[in-house]
Amino acid sequence: AQSVTQLDSHVSVSEGTPVLLRCNYSSSYSPSLFWYVQHPNKGLQLLLKYTSAATLVKGINGFEAEFKKSETSFHLTKPSAHMSDAAEYFCVVSAGLGGYQKVTFGTGTKLQVIP
Amino acid sequence: DAGITQSPRYKITETGRQVTLMCHQTWSHSYMFWYRQDLGHGLRLIYYSAAADITDKGEVPDGYVVSRSKTENFPLTLESATRSQTSVYFCASVNLEAGEQFFGPGTRLTVL
Repeated sequence: AQSVTQLDSHVSVSEGTPVLLRCNYSSSYSPSLFWYVQHPNKGLQLLLKYTSAATLVKGINGFEAEFKKSETSFHLTKPSAHMSDAAEYFCVVSAGLGGYQKVTFGTGTKLQVIP
Repeated sequence: DAGITQSPRYKITETGRQVTLMCHQTWSHSYMFWYRQDLGHGLRLIYYSAAADITDKGEVPDGYVVSRSKTENFPLTLESATRSQTSVYFCASVNLEAGEQFFGPGTRLTVL
């Protein structure tokens, strides 16, 4: 079975403070993990991905995530939030055998940044 | 332009009508997907296609039909639209080597 749990549906931070968006997953195979961002009325943009290389992954716009196999987690962090970071963030797991890998999305975390 | 496009971007229709949402990608990715995005559900897979003429059901396929006569196109048809199909629909293709999905801009469909 494969699943993704985003532990917070809403996160609110002040501008300039750290951001932490939590994601736990389960998978029967070695997964690839992704974080996507969706700004209001926009499509999905890839922030970063983990594909069995370094466990600490750096993405765009100062975001990074750490793959912790023992905790089955892939939390997204940023040291200092900007107003432009206000968006919805999706954690995604992709795993399987052969050419196609099953892709499962989390239900999303809405990040609010307070000036 | 390279990339993945969807049309229309917005559509309003009535219950019982047939609606087709178009998706076109220029990379020749073999895999393509249709998702719907609803509040509280994240993105849910409707159908996917591994190659031209090969399609398979995803998590929520009822009420939808797909076809893939050409690698670059993957239209999604609602044969008889229902209000519960009001949603935002995203098409995606995947680069298997990188394991990354590329998403279209979405189609916002309202069924009255």
